[in-house]
Amino acid sequence: EVQLVQSGAEVKKPGESLNISCKTSGYSFTRHWITWVRQMPGKGLEWMGIMYPGDSDTRYSPSFQGQVTISADKSISTAYLQWTSLKASDTAIYYCARSETGDQSSGSDYWGQGTVVTVSS
Amino acid sequence: SYVLTQPPSVSVAPGKSATISCGGNNIGSYSVHWYQQQPGQAPVLVIYYDTVRPSGIPERFSGSNSGNTATLTISRVEAGDEADYYCQLWNSDSDHGVFGGGTKLTVL
Repeated sequence: EVQLVQSGAEVKKPGESLNISCKTSGYSFTRHWITWVRQMPGKGLEWMGIMYPGDSDTRYSPSFQGQVTISADKSISTAYLQWTSLKASDTAIYYCARSETGDQSSGSDYWGQGTVVTVSS
Repeated sequence: SYVLTQPPSVSVAPGKSATISCGGNNIGSYSVHWYQQQPGQAPVLVIYYDTVRPSGIPERFSGSNSGNTATLTISRVEAGDEADYYCQLWNSDSDHGVFGGGTKLTVL
């Protein structure tokens, strides 16, 4: 059974760093892209970036380039989303999702449950 | 950057058909995916590559894509279909993905 299990909710202060995780199982981690998606409170889905764990090929939306870093650890089939200096505007739910095929243009067929990130002083 | 435009809301009576549009410049040349998001839940893929239904998605869900508009059609709408729906594609020109703004489907 394919599963993506994300790390728990975080409460942080502005300027702090953060690393959230997406642990996968039930499929070959290196053969499907992982996408990260942001959903701000009461708002729609925003595509942040995508990584192919097989070769670490990574693409970012211009809106998120330089603001976050996507990485992965193949040895434990886990993807990460990292911030070095959080802002209040980073408050949102963050989802990871698996591409249905090995093509980055395919849809995301399995999603994590979401990680709630709250940034407040 | 590439923009996908969806109507903010669509209302439909139970048993009728709902159509949700997703507009974009020459969107017919891209592969469009559709997601359903129930309140408090993660999104679920309901149509991919314009017309393909994942296993477990009812046949009532169908998709099309041509010209400047992609469309999600839900036939014989049920109360449980009430949700937010998002279109999404991979923009190969700029090498990143994009979501539409989302459409709230209300079942009257």
